[in-house]
Amino acid sequence: DIQMTQSPPSLSASLGDKVTITCQASQNINKYIAWYQQKPGKAPRLLIRYTSILESGTPSRFSGSGSGRDYSFSISNVESEDIASYYCLQYDNLPYTFGAGTKLELK
Amino acid sequence: QVKLLQSGTALVKPGASVKMSCKASGYPFTDYWVSWVKQSHGKSLEWIGEVYPNSGATHFNEKFKAKATLTVDKFTSTAYMELSRLTSDDSAIYYCTRETAYWGQGTLVTVSS
Repeated sequence: DIQMTQSPPSLSASLGDKVTITCQASQNINKYIAWYQQKPGKAPRLLIRYTSILESGTPSRFSGSGSGRDYSFSISNVESEDIASYYCLQYDNLPYTFGAGTKLELK
Repeated sequence: QVKLLQSGTALVKPGASVKMSCKASGYPFTDYWVSWVKQSHGKSLEWIGEVYPNSGATHFNEKFKAKATLTVDKFTSTAYMELSRLTSDDSAIYYCTRETAYWGQGTLVTVSS
């Protein structure tokens, strides 16, 4: 199985900050990575697929990049509604595997 | 629009089984894989497996192969997951998804005597 090492586990940011989360795969995943946002008591919501393609309705302050084994997800100008947990998912190989998650909190 | 409506909370005894449902609407049910994902309390997400409604073909995470059974009813556009021989480790929220893009609201399973 492909391991997804996500960091940091938690992040403290002020409104307007830029934050970045990284996921490193245990092998090349050919850009097949997605990023999800999850708020308490809610299902995960897909924000970005195939490394950098924003889903409909995802604000442009969210972005993704990377290749090979190394990928990143950024939020520029953090807003209060962005306070949530974020997960990466590799869907290059079965079984699909998620990162451990990053909890974004307000400083 | 795409909707996945899951069955409600289940409280089950250790050793028993539970079957949960996921009713799809807003898209051609047979054209997309339905995946199931486990989220234990306060923890990350685990992909359990997927079923292709048109053929019934399945793929499983080896970890869940002996635990989960995935089926579909094409006529009602409903996917099912049955979990067997339940233990406290199976207490979690279970989500159905359309190819991990669209998610149901989750089914909470609590295993307790």
